[in-house]
Amino acid sequence: AQRVTQPEKLLSVFKGAPVELKCNYSYSGSPELFWYVQYSRQRLQLLLRHISRESIKGFTADLNKGETSFHLKKPFAQEEDSAMYYCALSSGGSNYKLTFGKGTLLTVNP
Amino acid sequence: DAGITQSPRHKVTETGTPVTLRCHQTENHRYMYWYRQDPGHGLRLIHYSYGVKDTDKGEVSDGYSVSRSKTEDFLLTLESATSSQTSVYFCAISRPGLAIINEQYFGPGTRLTVT
Repeated sequence: AQRVTQPEKLLSVFKGAPVELKCNYSYSGSPELFWYVQYSRQRLQLLLRHISRESIKGFTADLNKGETSFHLKKPFAQEEDSAMYYCALSSGGSNYKLTFGKGTLLTVNP
Repeated sequence: DAGITQSPRHKVTETGTPVTLRCHQTENHRYMYWYRQDPGHGLRLIHYSYGVKDTDKGEVSDGYSVSRSKTEDFLLTLESATSSQTSVYFCAISRPGLAIINEQYFGPGTRLTVT
């Protein structure tokens, strides 16, 4: 069975500090991984997809298959980054289901 | 917002009452999903649909049923609401084929309170 673990429920940093939100996964096949962000009382938005190797809003995430991790990083946090972040795994197949981690609430303090 | 709307956006209901939540999409996507979001649990899949009249259970389907009689609408029904079903419910669609990968896009959510 596939599983996504986000070990930190809460993460608090100061503005300008680096931030890393951890995500580990368990899946026997070739995973497709995503980061979603949810700002206060808004819908979830797709932030990053591992296959694109992109940087969005200064965030990057690298898939490490050896460590089964997909950590989200940003070198200099901004107050507007305060939000709930979810890591998600797709096993592909014919139904395109996602398995979500429990989320990490990031607070960036001024 | 991928053309996804949910109604109602907020609802308060009493225990034992049937409740139906609606998800509507305007872009003719085949795959639709219902999740519930709870503190400490993240998002959990309730039911999903892979076409008109084609649905299947997710990980927390007990107490919920769904119907999809046309492509654009995916209904979630709580047959007899319980306080444990107080939650925020999100609908999502999947866009396989538009991109290489299977990303999902979410509706604005419905906040349901069962008293």
